[in-house]
Amino acid sequence: GAVVSQHPSRVICKSGTSVKIECRSLDFQATTMFWYRQFPKQSLMLMATSNEGSKATYEQGVEKDKFLINHASLTLSTLTVTSAHPEDSSFYICSARRQGADYEQYFGPGTRLTVT
Amino acid sequence: GQNIDQPTEMTATEGAIVQINCTYQTSGFNGLFWYQQHAGEAPTFLSYNVLDGLEEKGRFSSFLSRSKGYSYLLLKELQMKDSASYLCAVVDSNYQLIWGAGTKLIIKP
Repeated sequence: GAVVSQHPSRVICKSGTSVKIECRSLDFQATTMFWYRQFPKQSLMLMATSNEGSKATYEQGVEKDKFLINHASLTLSTLTVTSAHPEDSSFYICSARRQGADYEQYFGPGTRLTVT
Repeated sequence: GQNIDQPTEMTATEGAIVQINCTYQTSGFNGLFWYQQHAGEAPTFLSYNVLDGLEEKGRFSSFLSRSKGYSYLLLKELQMKDSASYLCAVVDSNYQLIWGAGTKLIIKP
């Protein structure tokens, strides 16, 4: 159990367009989901924490108007990169924490975003 | 501030044993995770320690000393597929995961 999916796995978009990435917990309910970004050869960088039904909490330096996060249900969170630029090209990974359980985060497979 | 230290890179030989250390200084402690991450993939769970001592799981073992703020991941009978980054993460007093920068492990034949 504890499977997290992400869609799409890869996306290429043009500069100035918006891209939506979905994160789903397939076999459990996740009250909290996390969005990370990882640049090549660097560690995970937490972008924001989203709780179902409330506004996301963004880490310092992450623009909330550029990275829109919606956690509308206990199994789905979305990250929308608005007006994407080449510097937004990165590996975006979501994780989910099981409702009422331990603190382990179950990771999705990641989304490779390339902005041209 | 909160800080997690682990070596940037380690090299080991196939079939050998390697120990990856992690030291931490965090506001509170509610457990420590080790994750494995292959290049281009998301992290996968390896172990979770919240009490002092050694947890063994197959070829992988994880040790924790809360008084020393120290953990290590021990990999035995190394295989080429163990080449990956190993991430140490601590759950702090706010139940947030604080991530180390990861240790890139290179396995040589």
